[in-house]
Amino acid sequence: GENVEQHPSTLSVQEGDSAVIKCTYSDSASNYFPWYKQELGKRPQLIIDIRSNVGEKKDQRIAVTLNKTAKHFSLHITETQPEDSAVYFCAAFRFNKFYFGSGTKLNVKP
Amino acid sequence: KAGVTQTPRYLIKTRGQQVTLSCSPISGHRSVSWYQQTPGQGLQFLFEYFSETQRNKGNFPGRFSGRQFSNSRSEMNVSTLELGDSALYLCASSGDSYNEQFFGPGTRLTVL
Repeated sequence: GENVEQHPSTLSVQEGDSAVIKCTYSDSASNYFPWYKQELGKRPQLIIDIRSNVGEKKDQRIAVTLNKTAKHFSLHITETQPEDSAVYFCAAFRFNKFYFGSGTKLNVKP
Repeated sequence: KAGVTQTPRYLIKTRGQQVTLSCSPISGHRSVSWYQQTPGQGLQFLFEYFSETQRNKGNFPGRFSGRQFSNSRSEMNVSTLELGDSALYLCASSGDSYNEQFFGPGTRLTVL
C-alpha cells in the first residue's frame, strides 16, 4: 500500500512569516494530493490540491508543489496570519483510497 | 449544494454496547469513506463504500462494520464497544470524476 509521511509534526512561526509543510509518499501510482486544514473542534476542510500532471498550484497565500520524481509534495503558506493556526493534513490518493499524513500543528504567533 | 452531514453529533455509550452512526453525502456523490480520529493518531481509514459496495477496508477489527444504501447514505456500526473506541468519527464523500473528498462534521463518541 501507500505510506505518507508528514513533517514537521509541529511548526511555530511569527505572524507574517512563511510556513512550509512537507510530505513524502511511497507509491508512484498515487495521482492526487489534497491538503486539509482542521481547526480545533471542526471538520477537515480541503484548502488546496494538486494532481500528478501538475508541478505547482497557487491560491492566494497558499501554494502546493509536487515533485513526482522524488515523491514529495509541500504546502507553502506565505504572510501567515493567526487564523492560519490549525492542524494541516496532507494526503495521497491511490486506487480509490486516501492515505493521510499524521498532521502538522501550525501555530502562528501574533 | 448541502454539505456532508452526520448524525448524531455526540454519543455517550458504555463498554459492551453497540452504536450506529449515520452519514449523508453531498448530493450526487456515490463514494463515502469513514475515518477514526483520535488525539495524536491522525485520520485512520476505516472503510469506503461506493454504490452500496465496500470497495476498500482499513485495518480495524470486525467489530467495525458499515453499509451504504441506494441513496448513498451510509451507516457505520461498532459492536461490543471498548474504551479505546472513544474518538471522533468522520465520514467523507467524493464525486466520481474529481476525487475531491469533503468531510462531515463528525460524530464524537465517548465510551465509558
